[in-house]
Amino acid sequence: GAGVSQSPSNKVTEKGKDVELRCDPISGHTALYWYRQSLGQGLEFLIYFQGNSAPDKSGLPSDRFSAERTGGSVSTLTIQRTQQEDSAVYLCASSRGRNSPLHFGNGTRLTVT
Amino acid sequence: KQEVTQIPAALSVPEGENLVLNCSFTDSAIYNLQWFRQDPGKGLTSLLLIQSSQREQTSGRLNASLDKSSGRSTLYIAASQPGDSATYLCAVPMEYGNKLVFGAGTILRVKS
Repeated sequence: GAGVSQSPSNKVTEKGKDVELRCDPISGHTALYWYRQSLGQGLEFLIYFQGNSAPDKSGLPSDRFSAERTGGSVSTLTIQRTQQEDSAVYLCASSRGRNSPLHFGNGTRLTVT
Repeated sequence: KQEVTQIPAALSVPEGENLVLNCSFTDSAIYNLQWFRQDPGKGLTSLLLIQSSQREQTSGRLNASLDKSSGRSTLYIAASQPGDSATYLCAVPMEYGNKLVFGAGTILRVKS
């Protein structure tokens, strides 16, 4: 596609429910990142994929968070038993490699009620 | 631990002014630096990427410089326009990793 696509754009869920957030990176981009942006906060790194492997998952806040990438393309971020503090905009980005610009999607705004 | 600081936090200028946004980082072992803009409710758009071996990069009215040894970068915007209003963020990767560390951003408002 022309850019990084994320779905859904908005998600409202009840506390305790599980959610899945999807990212379609730009075709041919081997690197994929998930970041989180909370209101009034900076961008918080969550996880990095190179191909289907995740060499850096140091930013995942707890074991309720997991992510996978299949076929070197689509990635899914799953949050189990959501809490109110999980409310944020979840941003996905992709690039060709470490010395290439990062391209971001428009994010998924998650609201946990 | 890499820390990125952006100054000022917010800036309001009249249309037509030239302006400078500042970014500093604590660990100079970087291989590039990127500048992004973020419009409200949107993701980030890459503006410029400077390799560690470069001193500056230019794109249209934007010019970014990098002084790796002093841990500083500046983004110069010439002849600012209302459409330049956005949040500008800089980001640096870790030397031995791919994670980007972002500054908190500078909120720019260009008044017509």
